[in-house]
Amino acid sequence: DIQMTQSPSSLPASVGDRVTITCRASQSIRSYLNWYQQKPGKPPKLLIYAASTLQSGVPSRVSGSGSGTDFTLTISSLQPEDFATYSCQQSYSPPYSFGQGTKLEI
Amino acid sequence: QVQLQESGPGLVKPSQTLSLTCTVSGGSISSGSYYWSWIRQPAGKGLSWIGRIHTSGSTNYNPSLNSRVTISIDTSKNQFSLQLSSVTAADTAVYYCARERLNILTGYYLEYWGQGTLVTVSS
Repeated sequence: DIQMTQSPSSLPASVGDRVTITCRASQSIRSYLNWYQQKPGKPPKLLIYAASTLQSGVPSRVSGSGSGTDFTLTISSLQPEDFATYSCQQSYSPPYSFGQGTKLEI
Repeated sequence: QVQLQESGPGLVKPSQTLSLTCTVSGGSISSGSYYWSWIRQPAGKGLSWIGRIHTSGSTNYNPSLNSRVTISIDTSKNQFSLQLSSVTAADTAVYYCARERLNILTGYYLEYWGQGTLVTVSS
């Protein structure tokens, strides 16, 4: 199975900050990497698929990059609604494992 | 707009079988462009992929669940279901159903999710 490791586990930040979250796969997953945002008591919401393709309706301040084993999610200017938990997921090979999540907090 | 809704018992006794159903509305479950998936999340922990089913009946399961998991589909009711046998307290989690889109160029991704249902395993 492919292991997904995110860093950091938590990230203190402020409105207006530029933040980057990292996701590393235990083997190459090419560009088969998705990012989700989750708020307390809510289901995850797809933000990015195929490492860098923005899902419809997601603001352009969110971006993703990477391929192979190393990936990043960047939010260029944090807004109050961005404080949430972010998880990566590989879709290269079943089981489609997730990272442990990164909590973006004030 | 596609919507998914999980239903089933919120409390299951240890060693028994957990059974959940996901009802899909706003679209046909018979479309060949999608897989129908189950994901779970223990309280305060990360997401864990359980498995998925295609309209054709093809399934993929997480090996960590060994042979305890079965996912089935009922196209006449626009529903798919999860059964997890021999449950223990470790299976206590919020269970989500989701639609997984297949794009040959960009791979699979979970684009629509149910709201989730908490299942507690306890005597």
